[in-house]
Amino acid sequence: SAVISQKPSRDICQRGTSLTIQCQVDSQVTMMFWYRQQPGQSLTLIATANQGSEATYESGFVIDKFPISRPNLTFSTLTVSNMSPEDSSIYLCSVEDLLLIGYTFGSGTRLTVV
Amino acid sequence: EDKVVQSPLSLVVHEGDTVTLNCSYEVTNFRSLLWYKQEKKAPTFLFMLTSSGIEKKSGRLSSILDKKELFSILNITATQTGDSAVYLCARLPNSGYALNFGKGTSLLVTP
Repeated sequence: SAVISQKPSRDICQRGTSLTIQCQVDSQVTMMFWYRQQPGQSLTLIATANQGSEATYESGFVIDKFPISRPNLTFSTLTVSNMSPEDSSIYLCSVEDLLLIGYTFGSGTRLTVV
Repeated sequence: EDKVVQSPLSLVVHEGDTVTLNCSYEVTNFRSLLWYKQEKKAPTFLFMLTSSGIEKKSGRLSSILDKKELFSILNITATQTGDSAVYLCARLPNSGYALNFGKGTSLLVTP
């Protein structure tokens, strides 16, 4: 199955600052997905990142807050901008894994905003 | 509303016990239902179910989908402490790629 390297693994950030999370996949994939898991909650899709086009955001998520880059078919970044404590969550990237016939997730980034 | 509801929310069992985790949903038309195991941060894929009534099995884990009654179950036999995790169920809709996750069942297997 696809292997996704995600970093940083965790970070503690000051409110008002921004953090960029990176995901590198060991194979070319058309779409990459970014999820958020707030404490005690389930995973919620933030956006879908396609190479060569703007990311598609889900309801409740906007580009100014969560800008996404997708420069090639193996890499994507998610930036959490102007952070507040409410942004403290686990952030996960994911790809559709055609070999696995499912969706594979990166190792996750645990973000704490103080 | 397009909800995925998992039950129980949490469960404590002894090693060797068999557990059944439930996932129910409301929308009848969808592509697949997926099960994941989440130990720390990253969910790891367990099963993808597309057809009703066909059991998928991997070692001590098995799962089945009932599209008529709108639910799926995940069975774990002869549980081990390493099975302790949050088990997530997710529905993949017909259109789009957003997995719709339930809140998960937190399983603790005690020695």
